[in-house]
Amino acid sequence: SQQGEEDPQALSIQEGENATMNCSYKTSINNLQWYRQNSGRGLVHLILIRSNEREKHSGRLRVTLDTSKKSSSLLITASRAADTASYFCATDDWGNAGNMLTFGGGTRLMVKP
Amino acid sequence: GAVVSQHPSRVICKSGTSVKIECRSLDFQATTMFWYRQFPKQSLMLMATSNEGSKATYEQGVEKDKFLINHASLTLSTLTVTSAHPEDSSFYICSARAQGGGYTFGSGTRLTVV
Repeated sequence: SQQGEEDPQALSIQEGENATMNCSYKTSINNLQWYRQNSGRGLVHLILIRSNEREKHSGRLRVTLDTSKKSSSLLITASRAADTASYFCATDDWGNAGNMLTFGGGTRLMVKP
Repeated sequence: GAVVSQHPSRVICKSGTSVKIECRSLDFQATTMFWYRQFPKQSLMLMATSNEGSKATYEQGVEKDKFLINHASLTLSTLTVTSAHPEDSSFYICSARAQGGGYTFGSGTRLTVV
């Protein structure tokens, strides 16, 4: 089942602008991860933030986590056309058969050159 | 880094036939493998979790007799879509995880049933 919602579902920006995507989830988590998916391809892991962390940076990526609100955000700064992709948050929590990832609905980002 | 190879990348099959998709961890032992299904412009939905040497645990609503999962070794899991129908057409993605490790995804398989 899907963990929660991501918003916006689609985002179109100009190259150089910042892109912010938000993710909400429902249950307690061990960590939250963000992934990128180019059209028709597999997923690429971007960044992981643990439940006891509030903010994390990796290059042009900045992730925040608010466990009290059960929400996370992904900020991509100085966007490039190559950032065009779908972005998914995923919570790492305990499922029927052990730890598993549950994905949000995703944000389709288009960066126009 | 950890690499997961998924084959085939695309397959077209006739309605009523079965299709097997392979997922291999190339440089690590995957104690757990996951199979996801993704419809166009939608998110990944977990179908089942398989631990090496055990029967797969299926998510609610996923027919275990239709989607056969085998995880016979620490580096290979297979998903067989039996008696495929057009509504089974989708993008299937596997993920592998070593004990205590992170999740690594295959590149996906586009299944089209005609």
